[in-house]
Amino acid sequence: GAGVSQSPSNKVTEKGKDVELRCDPISGHTALYWYRQSLGQGLEFLIYFQGNSAPDKSGLPSDRFSAERTGGSVSTLTIQRTQQEDSAVYLCASSLGRRGYTFGSGTRLTVV
Amino acid sequence: RKEVEQDPGPFNVPEGATVAFNCTYSNSASQSFFWYRQDCRKEPKLLMSVYSSGNEDGRFTAQLNRASQYISLLIRDSKLSDSATYLCAVNIAGGKLIFGQGTELSVKP
Repeated sequence: GAGVSQSPSNKVTEKGKDVELRCDPISGHTALYWYRQSLGQGLEFLIYFQGNSAPDKSGLPSDRFSAERTGGSVSTLTIQRTQQEDSAVYLCASSLGRRGYTFGSGTRLTVV
Repeated sequence: RKEVEQDPGPFNVPEGATVAFNCTYSNSASQSFFWYRQDCRKEPKLLMSVYSSGNEDGRFTAQLNRASQYISLLIRDSKLSDSATYLCAVNIAGGKLIFGQGTELSVKP
């Protein structure tokens, strides 16, 4: 597609439920990032995929968080047993090389 | 110490003012540098990359000082439409892109 596509755009879930967030990067982009942004805060790095290399998972806040990228394209971020502190906007970005990163419009997750 | 740190905000300036933002980074192996703009409740959008020689795009000038490990963004003749949060981003060695906390700019008539 023309841009980075994320779905759903909004998700309200009950505490303790699992959620899956999807990111469809720009076609041909080899790098894909997930970030989290809480209200009024900066972007918190979560995980980074680059081509076929092992992902950099150093930003995942707990083992409830996991992500995969299938076929070097679509990525899903899974949060298990959601907690209220998981409420945030989850942003995905992709890039080709280091020319700059294009963000999707994000998924606003609310855990009630 | 945070990997990437920015000036605390908010910056409130009148139209036409010149405003400068600084951003420091801790990893000397950092290779690529960017400024992003983020409007309220929107995703960040790339404003400009920052090159060693410095670069300019209209009213915006970005500079990199590797020796002191900081980047800067200068906005001249600020417009109401420049009101936003400005985020610096640094590519840490290995490819990870780390963002600063952002500086809020409010341009007033």
